[in-house]
Order: sequence, then structure tokens, then C-alpha cells
Amino acid sequence: NAGVMQNPRHLVRRRGQEARLRCSPMKGHSHVYWYRQLPEEGLKFMVYLQKENIIDESGMPKERFSAEFPKEGPSILRIQQVVRGDSAAYFCASSPLGGNYGYTFGSGTRLTVV
Amino acid sequence: DQQVKQNSPSLSVQEGRISILNCDYTNSMFDYFLWYKKYPAEGPTFLISISSIKDKNEDGRFTVFLNKSAKHLSLHIVPSQPGDSAVYFCAAKVGGADGLTFGKGTHLIIQP
Repeated sequence: NAGVMQNPRHLVRRRGQEARLRCSPMKGHSHVYWYRQLPEEGLKFMVYLQKENIIDESGMPKERFSAEFPKEGPSILRIQQVVRGDSAAYFCASSPLGGNYGYTFGSGTRLTVV
Repeated sequence: DQQVKQNSPSLSVQEGRISILNCDYTNSMFDYFLWYKKYPAEGPTFLISISSIKDKNEDGRFTVFLNKSAKHLSLHIVPSQPGDSAVYFCAAKVGGADGLTFGKGTHLIIQP
């Protein structure tokens, strides 16, 4: 029973390029959460999705960031026109139920913008 | 505005002794608190949680204490083991919200 799978583990992008981060939740989990951890900081909530629906995107920057969780396939966090300040670790977590906060996190994607 | 504060960036404890990690919060709307453990290059792992209607929750070597009047919670690990060396994050949730608010973490080092 695989855990939450995130790929790639490391991603390097030049300023202005697009970054696509993928998250496959644990089997049977239909709730996905994305968090960002800037250097020397705690994790910051970005967005909560269920299959085909964005439930809460209150933590997402208003521009350049988008997320989806299609009926088939992984959840995608997309960052357009990346800037140096987007360099961070991006963690995805999944849960079988909404309101269950003992999430299972993936190992993260470390995005470096050069 | 840091709503969840872990004021000790690091803590060193001898193996076999008790580790006490502290966390303070400012938002009185938080109703659920969690502790996560994180090893380098891995995602956080859920450890233990507590509802605001309780003041203590215990799970094996881990106990979380909540003092609502002081807006303070602590994680006790006893006895401490080498595998406990990791970064520990305190997190909290406002009722009805979907995301957790995390502190910056405390790096626990267990000395042999």
C-alpha cells in the first residue's frame, strides 16, 4: 500500500518558466491538501481539493498558482512564470475523509528557481 | 503574524530522559491541535492530536498537554530514543477551516 507519492522530488526551473508538481494520494483517499514550506518556516496551507472540486483555496496566491484534482490521475499544482520567491518545498497530503486532520504527507517536491 | 509559535528552534536531550517540546498559540478560535514529526528529505508524519475540549492525550511514549487559558500546549516524549531525533511541528486548526496552521518547528536532538 503505497503512501502519498509526489513527483518530481526535485525540480529546477528558470525564472519565467512553468512548474508542474504532481501528487498521487494514498489508495482510497479522495481528499488532497497542498502546503508550501519556505526556508526556515513552517508549512503554510495552500489549497484543499476533492476529486474534480476545489473546496478551499484560501491559501493560494491569487496569481500564477492553480491546482486541480481530476477524476482520473494525480492532483497537479501548477505555478506559471515562476519567480525566485517560489523556491520552496511543496508538500501534498491526503486523507480518506474531510475533517480528518491526521494527514498522510508525501515526501515533497523541492522547487528551485534559478 | 505567527499564530502558532515554537520558540525553541532546537532542543538537546539525553537518551532515556524526557523530551518536552513547547508550543504557544494566539488564535482563540483554534479547536484542534496536532504534532507532526519530520525527518530530513521526508514529509511530516502525524504523531498525536488533541481536541480543545481535553487537556491531555496519551499514546504510548507520547503525551500532549493542552492549557487553554495559557494558550499553550506541550509534547512529552518519555523515554527519549535516538530515533526521536527529528524536527517536530506543532499545528492547529480553526473550527470549520480546512487547513492547518503550523509552527516553525523544533529540532529535537537525542544525545546517546
